[in-house]
This record gives sequence, structure tokens and C-alpha cells, in this order.
Amino acid sequence: DTEVTQTPKHLVMGMTNKKSLKCEQHMGHRAMYWYKQKAKKPPELMFVYSYEKLSINESVPSRFSPECPNSSLLNLHLHALQPEDSALYLCASSQDPWGGQGYTFGSGTRLTVV
Amino acid sequence: QQQVKQSPQSLIVQKGGISIINCAYENTAFDYFPWYQQFPGKGPALLIAIRPDVSEKKEGRFTISFNKSAKQFSLHIMDSQPGDSATYFCAASMNNAGNMLTFGGGTRLMVKP
Repeated sequence: DTEVTQTPKHLVMGMTNKKSLKCEQHMGHRAMYWYKQKAKKPPELMFVYSYEKLSINESVPSRFSPECPNSSLLNLHLHALQPEDSALYLCASSQDPWGGQGYTFGSGTRLTVV
Repeated sequence: QQQVKQSPQSLIVQKGGISIINCAYENTAFDYFPWYQQFPGKGPALLIAIRPDVSEKKEGRFTISFNKSAKQFSLHIMDSQPGDSATYFCAASMNNAGNMLTFGGGTRLMVKP
């Protein structure tokens, strides 16, 4: 298995809703990432998990809450989002958290906040 | 501060032509330079990558040229095909920075039949 699987593919949520995005990989990768991508823009790093521990939080608002239950799973819990949070949310993984590693990205979750 | 600058923003090439996308970086601590290809509705996919101890790397129709002194690197797509139409991102990372990628702004390539 050489894929990163993200669910759901599409999500529409109201500003008062609570929802979660899920990411799964079975490549034995020990680093996992959440990126946010707006239309016609490059991905922006949100969080990095190294060996199931949060190692980097790029000053992301607390309405985004990451969780890594085990080495294969990564969740992003969403609460009280704003319309400007609408974007493609990408999960990625790499073999380990050291530099010089290519990422494997999932296809993303297209989030619309209404 | 944009640490990786990419040009052009968009590019139109005829089928069979050569597509050239350029990137320039500022941080000399970068030591890994990948290129990603992204189709609409999909996540980016690693295309090819280079390290600064190599001046050129070729994989099939894709070649990275790297100029360490100029702090520039470029992607050449030979014999461009309509299926190559996508957005291309250059990126860079540092060995001691948690494998965080800094992306360029992206280039939308259209290859005309």
C-alpha cells in the first residue's frame, strides 16, 4: 500500500458544527502532516507529527485540533470554523521526520464552511 | 518572507515542446529540492527531487537543473504532452527542520495539442 487515504473527500459544515477529517497510511511512515491549500495557492503547513507526537504547530487557530491516535492515523478536528477556512485540506506522510524526505500526499478533503 | 520564488505563474506550450519552470531560493540551509505535480482535485505528487551536491538529475522526460552558486533550480519537461497539463510546485527543505517543505507559488502549465 503506497497511498495516503483521506476521508471524507468533500465536507460542507456550518460555523457551529463539529466535524473531523481523517487520514490513514500503511506505509510505515513515522511523520505525518496537515497542509491547507487555497485555490491557486501552494500548500501551507499546519501541523507536523513525528513518531505520533505533535512536533510543529504553525500558529494554527485553536478551532483546528489535530490528533494522532496511532502511527497510521491522523485526525483533524474542526470546531467553530469561519467561511475563510474553506479550502482543500491535505494530509501527507514521509518515512521519517528528517530533512530530505519526499512526501506522499492524500487527495485531500474539500471543505466548505457556510 | 517568500523563501522560494517560482516563475512563470502560468505557461502555455505546444505539444512536443519543452516546458521550463524556474525557482530561486534564499536560504542556503536548504538541502533538498523536490518538484510536485498537482492535477485539479488531487493532492500534489512527488515528481523528481535533487540535492545540492548534484547539478542535474533526469528521470524520463523530466530534468532538474541545479545551480548552487546562483541559488536557482529549474524543471525541464521534454516532449511536453497534453497529459502534463497541471500545476507544478517547486519546494525546498532543510535537514534539521522537521522535513517541513517550503513551496514556491506554483506554475499552471497548459500543453496544447
